[in-house]
Amino acid sequence: GIQVEQSPPDLILQEGANSTLRCNFSDSVNNLQWFHQNPWGQLINLFYIPSGTKQNGRLSATTVATERYSLLYISSSQTTDSGVYFCAVEPDNNNDMRFGAGTRLTVKP
Amino acid sequence: NAGVTQTPKFQVLKTGQSMTLQCAQDMNHEYMSWYRQDPGMGLRLIHYSVGAGITDQGEVPNGYNVSRSTTEDFPLRLLSAAPSQTSVYFCASSTTSAKDYEQYFGPGTRLTVT
Repeated sequence: GIQVEQSPPDLILQEGANSTLRCNFSDSVNNLQWFHQNPWGQLINLFYIPSGTKQNGRLSATTVATERYSLLYISSSQTTDSGVYFCAVEPDNNNDMRFGAGTRLTVKP
Repeated sequence: NAGVTQTPKFQVLKTGQSMTLQCAQDMNHEYMSWYRQDPGMGLRLIHYSVGAGITDQGEVPNGYNVSRSTTEDFPLRLLSAAPSQTSVYFCASSTTSAKDYEQYFGPGTRLTVT
């Protein structure tokens, strides 16, 4: 099946810093989403972005489908950004959604 | 809208017992799915459904059954619980519109099998 790799696995930032999270995938996809899992376990969809660029406040994401990667940018990080960020992809040929192992972000005040 | 709801929030089972995890959504979404999340790992897809009466297996289907008799409900059945099924279970739903596949997750069910 499709492989999804996220980097870095862990990231510690000072409040106000910027960061870039990366998601590489091994096959063509028709669906790519970024999620944030907060420290209480709740999963929130950040972006549906199979290609192109989107922005939502301090967060933005870019997917380059032809090169099989996606980037999530967090600017001016806040302590509430802490948690785990997951990338999930769905291959072109089925509905079997696969998650990466996640990037654990800790933002210190 | 309540979104995606799951019951129970917590459950302890003994090895060999069976149970059903409930999932419901009120957004009229066609696509529903079940995932499990083990400590320190991402989510793994167990089963999914693209509409009432249609289900399919995901990455880790063994030991679980599903059915989809209505658009709103997608229960997950554990046939004979095993300690390896100790995990947090998430239900999710989304439309199948090509413009919006955003998945919405329930709050999760934490299951412990002793």
